[in-house]
Amino acid sequence: EVQLLESGGGLVQPGGSLRLSCEASGFSFSSYAMSWVRQAPGKGLEWVSGISGSYGSGSGGVTYYADSVKGRFTISRDNAKNSLYLQMNSLRAEDTAVYYCAKDATLSTKARLVGWFDPWGQGTLVIFSS
Amino acid sequence: EIVMTQSPGTLSVSPGERATLSCRASQSVSSNLAWYQQKPGQAPRLLIYGASTRATGIPARFSGSGSGTEFTLTISRLQSEDFAVYYCQQYNDWPPLTFGGGTKVEIK
Repeated sequence: EVQLLESGGGLVQPGGSLRLSCEASGFSFSSYAMSWVRQAPGKGLEWVSGISGSYGSGSGGVTYYADSVKGRFTISRDNAKNSLYLQMNSLRAEDTAVYYCAKDATLSTKARLVGWFDPWGQGTLVIFSS
Repeated sequence: EIVMTQSPGTLSVSPGERATLSCRASQSVSSNLAWYQQKPGQAPRLLIYGASTRATGIPARFSGSGSGTEFTLTISRLQSEDFAVYYCQQYNDWPPLTFGGGTKVEIK
């Protein structure tokens, strides 16, 4: 069974930093692109960032970001640990949300990001505290 | 950025009835469109990809149609477990990947 387990959320102050983690199991983690998607309280879904998987002998890891987080957030992965990360710096009130880790639903050529997701983790809550 | 617009915002339907949800893209996304279901306190679940292909384990009462800029999710006979929020998402032209604002299907 594919499982994604996020952690690392919590209270954060203005300008603060937080590192989210997503531990994956039940599939060949290195082969799949992964993304972070967030949901502000009572709002819809917003894609935050994605990262390609590994292809051949390369480590992969081509990264993509939404404009709202570019330059502040960094996505990364450690295939040896089956883990995905989101380093969030210079946090703002509008970053308050549940952050979901999501697996690309299908393998693609050269492990590139395809961009539709199955499954999603249960989410971790990041709350901005003034 | 491709903007996805869902309508209506809320749909009131009686159990056993049909629900029709719409999703419009600001430019063509071909058939690169997914639908997700989200229940309160839960993560989204993939229902449909490629505009019309049901994901593994999704009941046949869920169907998707459309291409280009106009898409529809139909739930043929609503069951109690289908009352939820539904999101469409395009993956044709990115970044960014974009979602619609959601349609809440509630009990009439």
